[in-house]
Amino acid sequence: ELKVEQNPLFLSMQEGKNYTIYCNYSTTSDRLYWYRQDPGKSLESLFVLLSNGAVKQEGRLMASLDTKARLSTLHITAAVHDLSATYFCAAEGGATNKLIFGTGTLLAVQP
Amino acid sequence: NAGVTQTPKFRVLKTGQSMTLLCAQDMNHEYMYWYRQDPGMGLRLIHYSVGEGTTAKGEVPDGYNVSRLKKQNFLLGLESAAPSQTSVYFCASSSLILLAGPYEQYFGPGTRLTVT
Repeated sequence: ELKVEQNPLFLSMQEGKNYTIYCNYSTTSDRLYWYRQDPGKSLESLFVLLSNGAVKQEGRLMASLDTKARLSTLHITAAVHDLSATYFCAAEGGATNKLIFGTGTLLAVQP
Repeated sequence: NAGVTQTPKFRVLKTGQSMTLLCAQDMNHEYMYWYRQDPGMGLRLIHYSVGEGTTAKGEVPDGYNVSRLKKQNFLLGLESAAPSQTSVYFCASSSLILLAGPYEQYFGPGTRLTVT
């Protein structure tokens, strides 16, 4: 059974600092997804990682995937307040594109 | 192109009442999903559908039923609501066709349900 663990659950950062969110999954997964959720809003897709060694970057966010370690990371560079949100990773289990989500990381960027 | 829409946006039910949540997508996606989101637990899959007329159970299906009579619609039913079903419900859809993208799931705006 596929399980996804995300840490930390809560992250308070100062503007300008760097940090990494970790996402571990328990069994082989075809794809790894990262989503952002603002309070009271829906989920916004950030990255889809398809293969081992995949790295994608958008602005101050960079996601990577190591399928051998069953680990994905979301790295935040020089955080700004606008990045404050909850970030979820999700691993895909099986051919039907079912997603198993981590519990989310609440990121608060302090000025 | 509205993407994925959900109705209603908010609802309050009394224990034992029934209701249906409607999800509609205009992207001609084959796959559709219903998730619930509870504090500290991320999103959990309730039921999903891989095509018109087909449905399957997800992680937490008990107390819910679904139907996919038309490709663009996916209905989630609560026959006898319980306080444990108080949650935010999200619908999502994705495409089977690889050329349309790497099976990315597109989410609706959510329905906030409170059962008293």
